[in-house]
Amino acid sequence: KQEVTQIPAALSVPEGENLVLNCSFTDSAIYNLQWFRQDPGKGLTSLLLIQSSQREQTSGRLNASLDKSSGRSTLYIAASQPGDSATYLCAVVDGNNRKLIWGLGTSLAVNP
Amino acid sequence: DAGITQSPRYKITETGRQVTLMCHQTWSHSYMFWYRQDLGHGLRLIYYSAAADITDKGEVPDGYVVSRSKTENFPLTLESATRSQTSVYFCASSYLAGEFSYEQYFGPGTRLTVT
Repeated sequence: KQEVTQIPAALSVPEGENLVLNCSFTDSAIYNLQWFRQDPGKGLTSLLLIQSSQREQTSGRLNASLDKSSGRSTLYIAASQPGDSATYLCAVVDGNNRKLIWGLGTSLAVNP
Repeated sequence: DAGITQSPRYKITETGRQVTLMCHQTWSHSYMFWYRQDLGHGLRLIYYSAAADITDKGEVPDGYVVSRSKTENFPLTLESATRSQTSVYFCASSYLAGEFSYEQYFGPGTRLTVT
């Protein structure tokens, strides 16, 4: 059974710092991996989607990498800002049943 | 361009009552999903639909019913609400971009409290 784990569960950093959020999954048979952002009381916003054949995707200050063989993905945020404060969720599309399997998220606080 | 909307945004109901949560999307996406989000469990899939009149169970379908008579609507009904169904419910939709890849778009959520 596919399981997705995100470490750390919470992170607090000063503004301007570069940071890395981690996501690991137990079964390398995935179709893709998505990183989402969730603001308190709000829905989820898709940040980046990495196909299983890709190694990384970039959008602005965000860079996500994927290593299927080791079951890992990282989300790199450059020059963090207070507006980046949110919960970041990782999810994989399971290769066996095409369902989206979610991690519990990393709660990020960027302090001015 | 509303995208994907959910109604109501907040709902309080009593144990045993039937309640329906609505989801509407304007993109004509073929896939639609219902999730619940609870502390300590993350997001769990309740039901999903690949197209109108095609629905399938997710991870936690018990106590829920769905229908999809039109592509744009995907209502979720709690037949007899229980306190354990107190949660935040998210609807999502996606298109099939390539054979095995799709990106999901989420509604703002419905916060349901069962007393």
